[in-house]
Amino acid sequence: DAKTTQPPSMDCAEGRAANLPCNHSTISGNEYVYWYRQIHSQGPQYIIHGLKNNETNEMASLIITEDRKSSTLILPHATLRDTAVYYCIVRSYYNNNDMRFGAGTRLTVKP
Amino acid sequence: DSGVTQTPKHLITATGQRVTLRCSPRSGDLSVYWYQQSLDQGLQFLIQYYNGEERAKGNILERFSAQQFPDLHSELNLSSLELGDSALYFCASSVGGGSGSAPFYNEQFFGPGTRLTVL
Repeated sequence: DAKTTQPPSMDCAEGRAANLPCNHSTISGNEYVYWYRQIHSQGPQYIIHGLKNNETNEMASLIITEDRKSSTLILPHATLRDTAVYYCIVRSYYNNNDMRFGAGTRLTVKP
Repeated sequence: DSGVTQTPKHLITATGQRVTLRCSPRSGDLSVYWYQQSLDQGLQFLIQYYNGEERAKGNILERFSAQQFPDLHSELNLSSLELGDSALYFCASSVGGGSGSAPFYNEQFFGPGTRLTVL
């Protein structure tokens, strides 16, 4: 069972920022937050991960609250190609072999 | 393109049969992971191999088995197939083996999947 809670679906206007929340209230000190996305039936694609500091890469930004119980993935300028299911996953540094995917958030970017 | 390849793309077979799915990891990756994605169960981790040895096991049925060969490609064998085995099967690879490796080394890169249909 996944250790995260995400809204089942969200809409976003093209060109606007998409903010996807994730609750991981039981996260422990050695666990990282990872985000993946799956476009239609393609293989999941890695987006970003973080421990406690905010992170940014060419795809997205990850904002983790100070207590680490929740995080937000930000796609700064969403495009139609960002329509996908987004998964927030908590993985331990010490035992991070398997990833437990929950139901994710289905993001629909609308023109 | 993640660099992970899977064959075949589609497979249609009958109940009771046996099939083999193949995965080639990204160049330099030592770990291969197998996942099953069905409509009612979502993405579920099945098994991981690291440098030829089984490293972690998830919700893999006894009818299923996997192995990783010296050239690091992996095969997932599914036998006595049932209708409920119809699903997308994904393979992923990473540099590291998990357990205590730096997170960068355990980013998993997924292949395009094999769609299995059991009739």
